[in-house]
Amino acid sequence: LAKTTQPISMDSYEGQEVNITCSHNNIATNDYITWYQQFPSQGPRFIIQGYKTKVTNEVASLFIPADRKSSTLSLPRVSLSDTAVYYCLVGEGNLANTNAGKSTFGDGTTLTVKP
Amino acid sequence: DSGVTQTPKHLITATGQRVTLRCSPRSGDLSVYWYQQSLDQGLQFLIQYYNGEERAKGNILERFSAQQFPDLHSELNLSSLELGDSALYFCASSGQREVSTDTQYFGPGTRLTVL
Repeated sequence: LAKTTQPISMDSYEGQEVNITCSHNNIATNDYITWYQQFPSQGPRFIIQGYKTKVTNEVASLFIPADRKSSTLSLPRVSLSDTAVYYCLVGEGNLANTNAGKSTFGDGTTLTVKP
Repeated sequence: DSGVTQTPKHLITATGQRVTLRCSPRSGDLSVYWYQQSLDQGLQFLIQYYNGEERAKGNILERFSAQQFPDLHSELNLSSLELGDSALYFCASSGQREVSTDTQYFGPGTRLTVL
């Protein structure tokens, strides 16, 4: 199972772009990269998922280099409400595979947005 | 609202007791995952069920067990409770098709306090 490494914490200011990088050197061919956001005492919330290159949705962008050994979550123009823990998750996307579901959440990155 | 429901929201019990946590997945989702999150800690994967069958096991104690019923709801049973079992327990669901990108949708959690 691919182990992920993220910075423990990051600080930013309102209106700035924030980039959080996750390292996953042992990512497997079938693994997808998924990012979640968690507020205190709430369940994690899906932000974005990708396999390679770049994925963009209304909330964030995900950049994945060709070797897929890392990924970067980009949050444009953050606000105070983006203060949360962000988890990078790497795991098997095919539920038919017995490794599916063993994706392990790392320690996450605590993002603090200041006014 | 993720579409995943968990009951009860809060549970206070004593050491040595047994409790059952319940989870109803999103409509159509076949997989259910259980996670434990202790205070200020990351998410620990406990177990996954897919369409009624155990699919993956994480760091689940022998005192804990789970099952998924024919209607796809799931229960997590915790017995011989210890103070250290106090935590937030999250349920997540995914997989409306067997081959999918395995995005997990989390419920609001059950906060268990063992006194």
